[in-house]
Amino acid sequence: EAGVAQSPRYKIIEKRQSVAFWCNPISGHATLYWYQQILGQGPKLLIQFQNNGVVDDSQLPKDRFSAERLKGVDSTLKIQPAKLEDSAVYLCASSSWDSLTDTQYFGPGTRLTVL
Amino acid sequence: AQSVTQPDIHITVSEGASLELRCNYSYGATPYLFWYVQSPGQGLQLLLKYFSGDTLVQGIKGFEAEFKRSQSSFNLRKPSVHWSDAAEYFCAVGEGGADGLTFGKGTHLIIQP
Repeated sequence: EAGVAQSPRYKIIEKRQSVAFWCNPISGHATLYWYQQILGQGPKLLIQFQNNGVVDDSQLPKDRFSAERLKGVDSTLKIQPAKLEDSAVYLCASSSWDSLTDTQYFGPGTRLTVL
Repeated sequence: AQSVTQPDIHITVSEGASLELRCNYSYGATPYLFWYVQSPGQGLQLLLKYFSGDTLVQGIKGFEAEFKRSQSSFNLRKPSVHWSDAAEYFCAVGEGGADGLTFGKGTHLIIQP
């Protein structure tokens, strides 16, 4: 079974530029998550999708971050405009939502550096 | 609001020695608890999880963890560490396996030869 795919793996941009990350979850997984992991910290949930609907985006900075999951499969996370403090690893995860005992599987992440 | 505390930022252990990583959580209901490991440049890999039942759970790579409700703890243990265990370890809590997780800040494990 293929894992969670993310691209690009690395991205360097200047502040005020825009950037987008892509995630393809494990086939058949209805739930998709985006986490932000700042250096030296644990991942923080940004947004959670159930199929193509948003379940939780309470920690998403909506003035600059946006995410979509068209057709309930792959997803994109966008930052516009980027700030220095957005430098982090952006992790995508998916789960099947079959039961409360399901597990989240994480992709390798996209490391963003904002200069 | 739920939270996770991992009191040790760094831990150094000799190869072959035993290991215990601490995790304390704050959560109103019955927690769903997880331990993940992250190697450099890698994504997070699930080591083990606790949902209910036996409070001692076994995971992959020889790890185990014990849920102690009275102490709000979910400590990770391994009887004998290997150099390949050097990594960052994260404890996490959620309302269910498929809900968004709250992670601790992680413990960096260093293995001495």
